[in-house]
Amino acid sequence: EAQVTQNPRYLITVTGKKLTVTCSQNMNHEYMSWYRQDPGLGLRQIYYSMNVEVTDKGDVPEGYKVSRKEKRNFPLILESPSPNQTSLYFCASRHDRGFSYEQYFGPGTRLTVT
Amino acid sequence: GENVEQHPSTLSVQEGDSAVIKCTYSDSASNYFPWYKQELGKRPQLIIDIRSNVGEKKDQRIAVTLNKTAKHFSLHITETQPEDSAVYFCAVNTGGFKTIFGAGTRLFVKA
Repeated sequence: EAQVTQNPRYLITVTGKKLTVTCSQNMNHEYMSWYRQDPGLGLRQIYYSMNVEVTDKGDVPEGYKVSRKEKRNFPLILESPSPNQTSLYFCASRHDRGFSYEQYFGPGTRLTVT
Repeated sequence: GENVEQHPSTLSVQEGDSAVIKCTYSDSASNYFPWYKQELGKRPQLIIDIRSNVGEKKDQRIAVTLNKTAKHFSLHITETQPEDSAVYFCAVNTGGFKTIFGAGTRLFVKA
C-alpha cells in the first residue's frame, strides 16, 4: 500500500530535550516536506527536500533541522524543543515532475513541549 | 514572499446548497493551485487542483476556477452533503518547491 508514515504519533516532552520525528514514504517520491499545523494558521512549511542531500527552508524553519540521506526518509529534528513548538506536525511527499503535484500526507504527529 | 489569504474562515450552509471558498495570492509566478480537505482528526487530502494555464476544472460536485489576472482562485461545491463538512485549505506552489497554504475554511453542512 502506497503511504507516508510518521513516528511517533503522539509525543509529550520537556523543554530542551532533543527529539526526532521520523517520516518515511514508499512511493519513490523525490520531494518531501514538513509542515506544522496550528489553529487559525493553516499549514506552514518548515523544510522541504527536492531529493537526497538537497534540502531548503520553508517559511518557519527556526528551531528545526532536517536531513535527507535516503530517498524514502526525511526526519525532523528538534535539537532543543521549546513550548512554542507544541503543534501538530505533518510530513508529505510527492513526485517533483509530471502533471500533478499532489502531496500525500502522513497521519500527523502531535507534539507537546512542556 | 508569497502570501495566501483564504475567506471565509467559517461557512455554514444547508444541505443541498452550494458553497464557495475564495483564495487570493500575491506572487504572479505561482503556477499550481490545489485544494485539500481535512476531516476532523485526519490528514489533509487533495480534492482538486488546477494549473496556471487552465481557467476552470470540474470533478463531479467540485469545481475550481482560477483568475490569474486578479490572482485569485475559488472552490465551488454544489449540492452539499453532510459528509462535505470539514476544513478546506487552498494552497499555492510558488513555481519552485515551496508550498504556501491558506489559513483554512471550516465548512458546516446542516442536514
